[in-house]
Amino acid sequence: AQSVAQPEDQVNVAEGNPLTVKCTYSVSGNPYLFWYVQYPNRGLQFLLKYITGDNLVKGSYGFEAEFNKSQTSFHLKKPSALVSDSALYFCAVRDFPNNNDMRFGAGTRLTVKP
Amino acid sequence: DTGVSQDPRHKITKRGQNVTFRCDPISEHNRLYWYRQTLGQGPEFLTYFQNEAQLEKSRLLSDRFSAERPKGSFSTLEIQRTEQGDSAMYLCASSLGSAASTDTQYFGPGTRLTVL
Repeated sequence: AQSVAQPEDQVNVAEGNPLTVKCTYSVSGNPYLFWYVQYPNRGLQFLLKYITGDNLVKGSYGFEAEFNKSQTSFHLKKPSALVSDSALYFCAVRDFPNNNDMRFGAGTRLTVKP
Repeated sequence: DTGVSQDPRHKITKRGQNVTFRCDPISEHNRLYWYRQTLGQGPEFLTYFQNEAQLEKSRLLSDRFSAERPKGSFSTLEIQRTEQGDSAMYLCASSLGSAASTDTQYFGPGTRLTVL
């Protein structure tokens, strides 16, 4: 079965600095990888996904993520953090073609300080 | 707003009671998913519909849980004889595409269930 790990419960960065939210995964087939963001009292919002092709994926709100097959990682990055980026971030993986279940990590709380 | 909607947003019930939640997906989305999220955890997959057919069910979905999507549009999730361990946020998501594996799922705001 697939699994995903977000090794940091909390990430703190200063506004204007680059941010990285880490994600590693384990699958037996091909990984399909997703990032979502959750703001308080709101549903999860899709940021970006990797299915195939270019390892660097660009998504919403200036976020990007790099698929690294050898390190089984899919870290989320942004060159310059905003206070409004403060939220809970979830990485998720599907194990293709073994199943369609999307397995989520436990989440990383990002706090951007002014 | 044409996103995924869920009703009610909050539900408080006593142990042993039955509850039913509704999800209205984005119009014309053919796939609909239910997840459960507890505090400090990511969403956990419960079940998935393609049109009106329930194609997958997680082992988390005990016999007390039942989901339907009778006309391939809205869906309901019923929990019978609720237990305190059922307290969680129940999330619904929908997607449209040729393959469930690559679809992007769009989530609703969730229904928060508290079982007293």
